[in-house]
Amino acid sequence: SAVISQKPSRDICQRGTSLTIQCQVDSQVTMMFWYRQQPGQSLTLIATANQGSEATYESGFVIDKFPISRPNLTFSTLTVSNMSPEDSSIYLCSVASIAGGSETQYFGPGTRLLVL
Amino acid sequence: AQSVAQPEDQVNVAEGNPLTVKCTYSVSGNPYLFWYVQYPNRGLQFLLKYITGDNLVKGSYGFEAEFNKSQTSFHLKKPSALVSDSALYFCAVRDMKKAAGNKLTFGGGTRVLVKP
Repeated sequence: SAVISQKPSRDICQRGTSLTIQCQVDSQVTMMFWYRQQPGQSLTLIATANQGSEATYESGFVIDKFPISRPNLTFSTLTVSNMSPEDSSIYLCSVASIAGGSETQYFGPGTRLLVL
Repeated sequence: AQSVAQPEDQVNVAEGNPLTVKCTYSVSGNPYLFWYVQYPNRGLQFLLKYITGDNLVKGSYGFEAEFNKSQTSFHLKKPSALVSDSALYFCAVRDMKKAAGNKLTFGGGTRVLVKP
């Protein structure tokens, strides 16, 4: 399975500011994803980060709020813009990797964000 | 649209007893099914998956899951639970239809508490 790291692991931010989260994978992967896990909730897909093209956003998520970069096959960033307390969540990066002949998503350790 | 239901918010079990975490799904095509575990302050760890073939799938840490197409279920099981199995468990589904993309849909999660 792929080894995925995220920076920062946690942060406390003031409302109105922006935070950029980095995701680094130890091997080249085609598909990278960003998820949000609000307190006590399940995971919700924010967007698919496509290398060489714009990210594909899910319903309810927009590029102005969550701009994503994917400069190469091992790295992606998610920015949470103009933050409000409602953005307090765990943000997780995942990658799709072929394991046992089929695709599996593996997750990074997450970034815990608290917005005051 | 694809969906996953985990009917139990929490499951309590005594150490050494069998553990079952329930999951039912809905997809328009054939499902890829996954179980993940999240320990406190950690990311999601992949446990096992069902793609095709044998309905009983074995995974990490002694866990297994049984795919039941007629009941659209994919319950997670462990014959003898350990205190260290206490965590949050997520079931996820992906539609095999290519049009569905690589999107994973997660259930709401089930908290497992194993008491000594």
